[in-house]
Amino acid sequence: DGGITQSPKYLFRKEGQNVTLSCEQNLNHDAMYWYRQDPGQGLRLIYYSQIVNDFQKGDIAEGYSVSREKKESFPLTVTSAQKNPTAFYLCASSDDLGGMNNEQFFGPGTRLTVL
Amino acid sequence: GNSVTQMEGPVTLSEEAFLTINCTYTATGYPSLFWYVQYPGEGLQLLLKATKADDKGSNKGFEATYRKETTSFHLEKGSVQVSDSAVYFCALSFTGGGNKLTFGTGTQLKVEL
Repeated sequence: DGGITQSPKYLFRKEGQNVTLSCEQNLNHDAMYWYRQDPGQGLRLIYYSQIVNDFQKGDIAEGYSVSREKKESFPLTVTSAQKNPTAFYLCASSDDLGGMNNEQFFGPGTRLTVL
Repeated sequence: GNSVTQMEGPVTLSEEAFLTINCTYTATGYPSLFWYVQYPGEGLQLLLKATKADDKGSNKGFEATYRKETTSFHLEKGSVQVSDSAVYFCALSFTGGGNKLTFGTGTQLKVEL
């Protein structure tokens, strides 16, 4: 089955530690995205990547870093510089063909809790 | 910049009631519009979409019409079920430029027997 996987589903870390969230897709999509979801605030874009070895900051990139070494993988690192990292993190992917088929497909999410 | 405004929830309905969730947007140009649904503890699933003015998106009994004149994309369903209980997000994006989505804050729907 094609889709997006995120692991782990729940993650706990101590304050001051960096943590990396995994996102893998087998949809052969060029574009991948990371969103953060907080109660009452909808989803906010952290980083996105349209092609391997290239990525751009979204609306709330401070305290986060990403890499895109392979087309199918887009890991997100939450660094100690992120002031309020506890949240639900969602990864997504889409064809970025410049046409009208710009639906994004989402993974199941990772809930990060910093203690 | 672009923005999406949704009615606040939670919206609580009895089974078989009529549902409307309002969504309006602010954007320069003509974006594609989407409704996504999120069930508890899960990621988002695309419910329906419309890519140009007057298009109607529909899926699983839900409908929404792209109204350019009122910059709206209200979600409707004629008869809701308990299984429709979820959070609904309205969103917009523009073709190209990364296809970034701008989301509303989400509306929680609770359907009771």
